[in-house]
Formats: sequence, C-alpha cells, structure tokens
Amino acid sequence: EPEVTQTPSHQVTQMGQEVILRCVPISNHLYFYWYRQILGQKVEFLVSFYNNEISEKSEIFDDQFSVERPDGSNFTLKIRSTKLEDSAMYFCASSASGLNNSPLHFGNGTRLTVT
Amino acid sequence: DQQVKQNSPSLSVQEGRISILNCDYTNSMFDYFLWYKKYPAEGPTFLISISSIKDKNEDGRFTVFLNKSAKHLSLHIVPSQPGDSAVYFCAASAGYGGATNKLIFGTGTLLAVQP
Repeated sequence: EPEVTQTPSHQVTQMGQEVILRCVPISNHLYFYWYRQILGQKVEFLVSFYNNEISEKSEIFDDQFSVERPDGSNFTLKIRSTKLEDSAMYFCASSASGLNNSPLHFGNGTRLTVT
Repeated sequence: DQQVKQNSPSLSVQEGRISILNCDYTNSMFDYFLWYKKYPAEGPTFLISISSIKDKNEDGRFTVFLNKSAKHLSLHIVPSQPGDSAVYFCAASAGYGGATNKLIFGTGTLLAVQP
C-alpha cells in the first residue's frame, strides 16, 4: 500500500537554528498537510497546501514556518529559527482530494528536539 | 479549545470482547468524523469515517456510530484482538465538499486488549 514517508525520523537542533523536515506524499495525492503533536498533547493542525499554495494555516503556523513543494515529489516544512517550544512530533499527511470522503494518510513523523 | 473530547484516557478489554471508544464534540459545524489508530513511533493510521448524513458506518470489525443530537460518536471493535492495542484518536472536520480537510483531533484513548 502506498505510504507517506518522512525524513529524518529524529532531528536534534539548537535553539535559533533553521530546520527543514521532509516528506514524500503518496504520489497521486493532491493535498498536503503538516500536523504536530507536542508530547502528551493532542495532534494539532499546522497547515494545508494545494496547487502550490497554502490553503489554510493555524495560529501556530506563524512567520517562522514555511512550506514548499520544491519538485513533484517532496513537501517540506521549514522552521526558520527554532524555539524550545517547537519540540514535537511533526506529521506530514496527504489526501487524494480536499473533500471529506478522502481521508488523510499520515507519515510516521519526525521527532524534532530543540535544545 | 476542546472542540473534540475523548474523556477516557485509557480502556482495557479482554480479547474477544467488544471495545467501545467514545468521543464528544462541541462544534455543530463538524460534518465529517474519523477514527485513527496510532502505534508508538508511527503516524496515525486511518480506520473508519462517517459523514453527518449517516448514523452508522461499518467496516469489518469496526463500526462507528454518530448521534448528532448528542454530538457524540463511538467506535465499536468486535471482537477485540491484542493487535488492536493502540491509541485511538477521534477527529472531526467541517465543510463537506471543497473543504481543506483540516482535522481537529481528540486527545486519544489508549486501548489495551488483554489476551
């Protein structure tokens, strides 16, 4: 079964550094998402992306965050200057369409640790 | 902002018995509901969904019931198997048709199926 793949599985960075989290969505999917889960808390929506632009973003997704689909297969999340509170599991997801009968398929996540 | 609530953080069930996981929501605009299962170190895996025009959806051992008037949904697993042991997340979205599929997750229920 096709799957969403994320790299790296674990990223450790120092506060203030830039990180790029990478994702390869399922190949025929058109909608892409980033979610995160801070330890012990619920999974939270960050951003959705379609047709090379952001469709919706949450309050968490401030100017420090950006997303990009640099080529036909990768989807990246960049955090420009990491803060301690950015430490979380970051999940990429994709769906075939934006309609509600097209469930999201998630990757296994990247654990980001900011020290 | 607790729009989706799972009030039971954990549930223990004997193998072969029924597992019932519950979820409540507050936003009356939600019209699509999903259940995801999550194993440690993996991303959420889609299980089953239901739209607000239905009150029941069944897929093998998994059945989701929706009670719109009570703003409540439940997931039934029959019969429960040890491999079902995982964290189960309820999720909801609003805006059927053309929505960006932004999901609001509950906090999850850890299901332990005892052999």
